[in-house]
Amino acid sequence: KAGVTQTPRYLIKTRGQQVTLSCSPISGHRSVSWYQQTPGQGLQFLFEYFSETQRNKGNFPGRFSGRQFSNSRSEMNVSTLELGDSALYLCASSLEYAGAYNEQFFGPGTRLTVL
Amino acid sequence: KQEVTQIPAALSVPEGENLVLNCSFTDSAIYNLQWFRQDPGKGLTSLLLIQSSQREQTSGRLNASLDKSSGRSTLYIAASQPGDSATYLCAVRPRNFNKFYFGSGTKLNVKP
Repeated sequence: KAGVTQTPRYLIKTRGQQVTLSCSPISGHRSVSWYQQTPGQGLQFLFEYFSETQRNKGNFPGRFSGRQFSNSRSEMNVSTLELGDSALYLCASSLEYAGAYNEQFFGPGTRLTVL
Repeated sequence: KQEVTQIPAALSVPEGENLVLNCSFTDSAIYNLQWFRQDPGKGLTSLLLIQSSQREQTSGRLNASLDKSSGRSTLYIAASQPGDSATYLCAVRPRNFNKFYFGSGTKLNVKP
């Protein structure tokens, strides 16, 4: 069974540009969550998508947005990049059925560097 | 707001030792708690998940316990090996949200 995949694995952008990251969840998983990991702030929750709807949102500015498609694949977009957006972006997927063992599985991450 | 703390921040032990990593959280209204390991520059690998109704889970040399009333979880690693060297993260999921609150991790170094 394939795990969570994220593309691209590495990105280098300059300030002011925008970027789109992609996440393919484990087959059958309905929920996709996104996290930002930095040395200073650790792992911080960005948002969660379930059945193509944003269900939960963290405390990030509106420059961070996302969406989920009917096949549960998700994209995350960051506009007007800032130096502080340099981070490892991780996505996680889970089944999210009532009564299920809703374990979260993480992808390998996308390393974004903003110059 | 849920706060998760992991102690110690770093740990260095000789190969073969048994060790305990600690995780504490402030709000006992949790759905589950999950332990992960992260190798440098990599994603998170799930180790164990404990539902809020459970007291412990075991997988191989790993055992995780949960005491909701005191807001604590421990990860016990038996007979540590150099391959266990990684950062171990504890994550708590609240009852009503699919969202993890992470601790800052324990960086483990197992010396041959």
